[in-house]
Amino acid sequence: QVTLRESGPALVKPTQTLTLTCTFSGFSLSTSGMCVSWIRQPPGKALEWLALIDWDDDKYYSTSLKTRLTISKDTSKNQVVLTMTNMDPVDTATYYCARTTTAARAFDIWGQGTMVTVSS
Amino acid sequence: EIVMTQSPATLSVSPGERATLSCRASQSVSSNLAWYQQKPGQAPRLLIYGASTRATGIPARFSGSGSGTEFTLTISSLQSEDFAVYYCQQYNNWPPESTFGQGTKVEIK
Repeated sequence: QVTLRESGPALVKPTQTLTLTCTFSGFSLSTSGMCVSWIRQPPGKALEWLALIDWDDDKYYSTSLKTRLTISKDTSKNQVVLTMTNMDPVDTATYYCARTTTAARAFDIWGQGTMVTVSS
Repeated sequence: EIVMTQSPATLSVSPGERATLSCRASQSVSSNLAWYQQKPGQAPRLLIYGASTRATGIPARFSGSGSGTEFTLTISSLQSEDFAVYYCQQYNNWPPESTFGQGTKVEIK
């Protein structure tokens, strides 16, 4: 059974750096074709894809946020980490990690999400 | 950036009736389109990918069609558990570009 779980702070202050961890099981990020993405959703709003890392350690970022994002993986721990710098209240959202494969290219399994509020 | 526009914003349907949701892309995305269902307080769930392929475990009452810029999600006979928000997502030039529509809420009439 494939599962993903996000963890990180519920509250960050403006200008701080957010660090989120996605811990997964049921698949290996060293298997060819496997990828993990981060997606966020502000309250009452639509989904926004942020970043992806693949089995080959290739990294991709949303064009609009690429200067603020860093994604990395620790294959031995089955974890993917996202950092977002210079947090702003508009970054308040639920942050999800999700698995995808190069075959389907859609997000087939999602974590339950973690709500992050940016406020002083 | 490819903009995805979903219509209507809200769809009121009675249980047992058919629901038809639309998604339009600002430029062709071929068949690189997915549909997701999201219930309050839950993560999205993949329903359809490749415009028309049902994901694992998705009931046959959900079907997707279309290609290029016009797509449709049809729920043939709405069940109580189908009342939710539905999002389309294009992944034509992804990574790195992937965009979602703003969602269609399917509510009980």
